[in-house]
Amino acid sequence: QKEVEQNSGPLSVPEGAIASLNCTYSDRVSQSFFWYRQYSGKSPELIMSIYSNGDKEDGRFTAQLNKASQYVSLLIRDSQPSDSATYLCAVRWNSGNTPLVFGKGTRLSVIA
Amino acid sequence: EAGVAQSPRYKIIEKRQSVAFWCNPISGHATLYWYQQILGQGPKLLIQFQNNGVVDDSQLPKDRFSAERLKGVDSTLKIQPAKLEDSAVYLCASSSGQGGYFGPGTRLTVL
Repeated sequence: QKEVEQNSGPLSVPEGAIASLNCTYSDRVSQSFFWYRQYSGKSPELIMSIYSNGDKEDGRFTAQLNKASQYVSLLIRDSQPSDSATYLCAVRWNSGNTPLVFGKGTRLSVIA
Repeated sequence: EAGVAQSPRYKIIEKRQSVAFWCNPISGHATLYWYQQILGQGPKLLIQFQNNGVVDDSQLPKDRFSAERLKGVDSTLKIQPAKLEDSAVYLCASSSGQGGYFGPGTRLTVL
């Protein structure tokens, strides 16, 4: 059973702080990793993808991947109240167009 | 570039009735997914199409759910008969090989 685990939260951080969201997955052969943001009542929105070990930065977002430890994380620098949402981690187990498997998501609350 | 389109946005039916959802993916995307998202949970894959062929339908309750993707473009997902536990948001997503891009979803309420 391929699983993606996330702490459901809520994770509360003050405005301007760094929010750290973590995700672990069960299968070592996983190839691709994605972070989605989902506002309440809206559909998931793709914000980051990462395929290789290490860090990938995009604006205030940094995705970190460690395949040996089977975890992927998302850092949000200078957190804003508009970042308050549920963040979903998704994993693609093989290359190509195999299904995306999602975690349950972590709810982030940024306090002004 | 137009996004993934879905209709209807909302649907309320009584148990044992049937319902159908429609999805039009991003132009050129060969892969189309249907996900079910129950409140407070992550999306759960129901079925994945590659062009008009099924790649994965292992979690589709085939006694009541069916899906098709004719001509490798639009897709429909049908539930017949609906149960109370089918109340959820049904999300369609399409992909060209990397992450999937979601449509707005259809919120289904079964009474």
